[in-house]
Amino acid sequence: QKEVEQNSGPLSVPEGAIASLNCTYSDRGSQSFFWYRQYSGKSPELIMFIYSNGDKEDGRFTAQLNKASQYVSLLIRDSQPSDSATYLCAPWDSSYKLIFGSGTRLLVRP
Amino acid sequence: NAGVTQTPKFQVLKTGQSMTLQCAQDMNHNSMYWYRQDPGMGLRLIYYSASEGTTDKGEVPNGYNVSRLNKREFSLRLESAAPSQTSVYFCASSDGPGYEQYFGPGTRLTVT
Repeated sequence: QKEVEQNSGPLSVPEGAIASLNCTYSDRGSQSFFWYRQYSGKSPELIMFIYSNGDKEDGRFTAQLNKASQYVSLLIRDSQPSDSATYLCAPWDSSYKLIFGSGTRLLVRP
Repeated sequence: NAGVTQTPKFQVLKTGQSMTLQCAQDMNHNSMYWYRQDPGMGLRLIYYSASEGTTDKGEVPNGYNVSRLNKREFSLRLESAAPSQTSVYFCASSDGPGYEQYFGPGTRLTVT
């Protein structure tokens, strides 16, 4: 059974702080990784994807990937109350199916 | 562009009834997917269609059937609904396997 593990949270950070969201995965064949944001009652929306080891930055978001450790993370700088949502980690498995974690709930306190 | 659309948005069924959930995309994507999401859980893949004319089972296919009607449309059918199928159903599409997926607004289904 291929697994994606995320801390369910809630992760509570003050406005303006850095939020760090972590994810580990079991399938060593996974090559690409996606982060989705899901507001309560809404559908997931893509934030970022990363294929290569290291960091990838897009505005306030930075994705970090370490394939040797089977670890991927998402950093949100200058967190805003509007960032309060559930963040889903999703690696493509080796048979090209997207496997979703159960998500980390982020609360940004004003 | 509407992206991915789903109908209906809400549905209540009695145990044993059947229904079809509709999904359409206007992004000329090759691949389409059906997921279910239960409270506090991630999305679980029910069925997918890597390309027009093909369908394959995902993680939780029992109790469901699908039809890839054409490149734009992918429907999900519940032949005999059960309370365990109460969930939120999302349709998604992508250029192909391995590419980012875009999700529809979801269908909230309750089976009593």
